[in-house]
Amino acid sequence: NAGVTQTPKFQVLKTGQSMTLQCAQDMNHEYMSWYRQDPGMGLRLIHYSVGAGITDQGEVPNGYNVSRSTTEDFPLRLLSAAPSQTSVYFCASIPRSNTGELFFGEGSRLTVL
Amino acid sequence: AQSVTQLDSHVSVSEGTPVLLRCNYSSSYSPSLFWYVQHPNKGLQLLLKYTSAATLVKGINGFEAEFKKSETSFHLTKPSAHMSDAAEYFCVVSRIRDDKIIFGKGTRLHILP
Repeated sequence: NAGVTQTPKFQVLKTGQSMTLQCAQDMNHEYMSWYRQDPGMGLRLIHYSVGAGITDQGEVPNGYNVSRSTTEDFPLRLLSAAPSQTSVYFCASIPRSNTGELFFGEGSRLTVL
Repeated sequence: AQSVTQLDSHVSVSEGTPVLLRCNYSSSYSPSLFWYVQHPNKGLQLLLKYTSAATLVKGINGFEAEFKKSETSFHLTKPSAHMSDAAEYFCVVSRIRDDKIIFGKGTRLHILP
C-alpha cells in the first residue's frame, strides 16, 4: 500500500491563479480531510469528507473547494489563489474502524506570490 | 465543546535528560487522545494513542503518555532524550461520534548536545 499520496509536493502560484492539490489513498478509508499548517497555528481543518459524495466545511474553508466522487480521491481546489493561502497543506484519512487515528500524506508546500 | 492546549510552544532539554511535553484537554465526552510527531519538512507520524483502555500508553521511540482524567491531562514523556527526538509534537483530541478532531498548536522540542 502506498498510503496517502499528495501531489504536487511543491507549487508556486501567482495571485489569482487556480490550482488543484491532489490526494489519493489506497487503504479504503472512509474519512478524508485537508489541513493547512502555518507557523504557530498548528494544523487547521479546511474541509473533510466522511464518505464518497459527502463533504463538509472545517475551520478555515474560505477560498477552497473539495469534492469526493470516489472513496480514494479527495482533491482540494484553490479557485483564485491569494498570498494568505501560502502554507503547507496536508491530506489525512481515517480508517473504517474509526479510532480517530489520522494517516497523513507527506504534505504540499504552496507559495502564492 | 472540545479543546486541547499544549502548554509550551518550545521545550529545550539536554541529550540524555528526561522529556516532558504537556497537554491539557477539554471534552464533554470520553475522548480519544493522540500524540503525533513531525520532523522537519516531513508529514505527521503517530507516536501513541489513548482510546479508553490502559491509562498509561506506550508509543514508538521510547515515548509514553499517561491519561489523567482528574487533571484532564495527557502529558508526553521520555526518560532520556536523543538528538533524533528534535521535532514538533502535536497533541490531538478526537471525538468520533461527530467527526471532531482538534489539534493543539504544537510544541517544538530542541535537544541540546
